[in-house]
Amino acid sequence: EAGVAQSPRYKIIEKRQSVAFWCNPISGHATLYWYQQILGQGPKLLIQFQNNGVVDDSQLPKDRFSAERLKGVDSTLKIQPAKLEDSAVYLCASSMDRGGTDTQYFGPGTRLTVL
Amino acid sequence: GQSLEQPSEVTAVEGAIVQINCTYQTSGFYGLSWYQQHDGGAPTFLSYNGLDGLEETGRFSSFLSRSDSYGYLLLQELQMKDSASYFCAATGSARQLTFGSGTQLTVLP
Repeated sequence: EAGVAQSPRYKIIEKRQSVAFWCNPISGHATLYWYQQILGQGPKLLIQFQNNGVVDDSQLPKDRFSAERLKGVDSTLKIQPAKLEDSAVYLCASSMDRGGTDTQYFGPGTRLTVL
Repeated sequence: GQSLEQPSEVTAVEGAIVQINCTYQTSGFYGLSWYQQHDGGAPTFLSYNGLDGLEETGRFSSFLSRSDSYGYLLLQELQMKDSASYFCAATGSARQLTFGSGTQLTVLP
């Protein structure tokens, strides 16, 4: 079974530029998550989708971050304009949404550096 | 909201047993998960406690006490490959995870 795919793996941009990340979850997984992990910290949830609907985006900085999950499969996360403090690894995860344990499976992440 | 506290670093020798503690303050708490993350890698699921008590999975065990808002991860027969960061994460009502800041485990030969 293929895992969660993310691209690009690395991205370097200058502040005030825009950037987009792509995620393809595990086939059949209804729930998709985007996390931000700053160096030395735990992942922080940015947004959670169930199918193509948003479940939780309370920690998404909506003035600059946006995300969509068209057709309930792939998802993109966009930052526009980027700030220095956005330098982090952006992790995508998916889960089957069966309740109970509902293990989240993480992709390899996109390491963003904002100069 | 939820907040979790865990030690920042733990060091142990190969073959030893180590316990990583996690305390939490939450609203809408459903359970406690543990994830392992090697440098540059993705977090991978280790264990989940939805009920009080001990869950055992091979060399790893995890414990939860809801009355004490406390859990721990126990790693036995430590191996060099266990050197990694370990995160406790609280599951909320919509199954969203709130992660602790992580414990860096170093296993010495």
